[in-house]
Amino acid sequence: QKEVEQNSGPLSVPEGAIASLNCTYSDRGSQSFFWYRQYSGKSPELIMSIYSNGDKEDGRFTAQLNKASQYVSLLIRDSQPSDSATYLCAVKNNFNKFYFGSGTKLNVKP
Amino acid sequence: KAGVTQTPRYLIKTRGQQVTLSCSPISGHRSVSWYQQTPGQGLQFLFEYFSETQRNKGNFPGRFSGRQFSNSRSEMNVSTLELGDSALYLCASRDSQNTEAFFGQGTRLTVV
Repeated sequence: QKEVEQNSGPLSVPEGAIASLNCTYSDRGSQSFFWYRQYSGKSPELIMSIYSNGDKEDGRFTAQLNKASQYVSLLIRDSQPSDSATYLCAVKNNFNKFYFGSGTKLNVKP
Repeated sequence: KAGVTQTPRYLIKTRGQQVTLSCSPISGHRSVSWYQQTPGQGLQFLFEYFSETQRNKGNFPGRFSGRQFSNSRSEMNVSTLELGDSALYLCASRDSQNTEAFFGQGTRLTVV
């Protein structure tokens, strides 16, 4: 079992719709969770971090964390073609190790 | 504030050679982590250095090694290169308080 699992996609949504990206993790003791966006040929860019259960909003982005279900999600409202990228979920465990999911490719169609 | 700087950006090496990659973290950051990214395996953790000490290590063979200097700059070395080592090598820096990691532009290594 991988430490962090993501659906590889591609996830296709029309412009203006809500994109929902999901991630599950295996280490129940994990405390810190991150979403990165990676454009093709570029390095990952941090979008959101979340540390406690519930929702955290930042502009069009909302991160959701449910530690009981070991589940993290990222919602992108009013999706734009410029949001088309691969989204990586990352989890930091109690031993300070980062684990990344393989990423979900998002396509936002104009 | 300057970001994470990796050099070189691109490298072409022959099987059996060795290579050294460099990473300069964000000023004030003491943690540097290295990752290998390939289309098939995704982003895989190599190792992390903090204050010149290796703090964590991933599941890579001993051909992959690293070190960190007193100014927090880090180098990664791969010896006896194999075709399968062709990948994008990314480094990420964090400071001692903030757990968020910021990535450099990466070094694209091609082994022929």
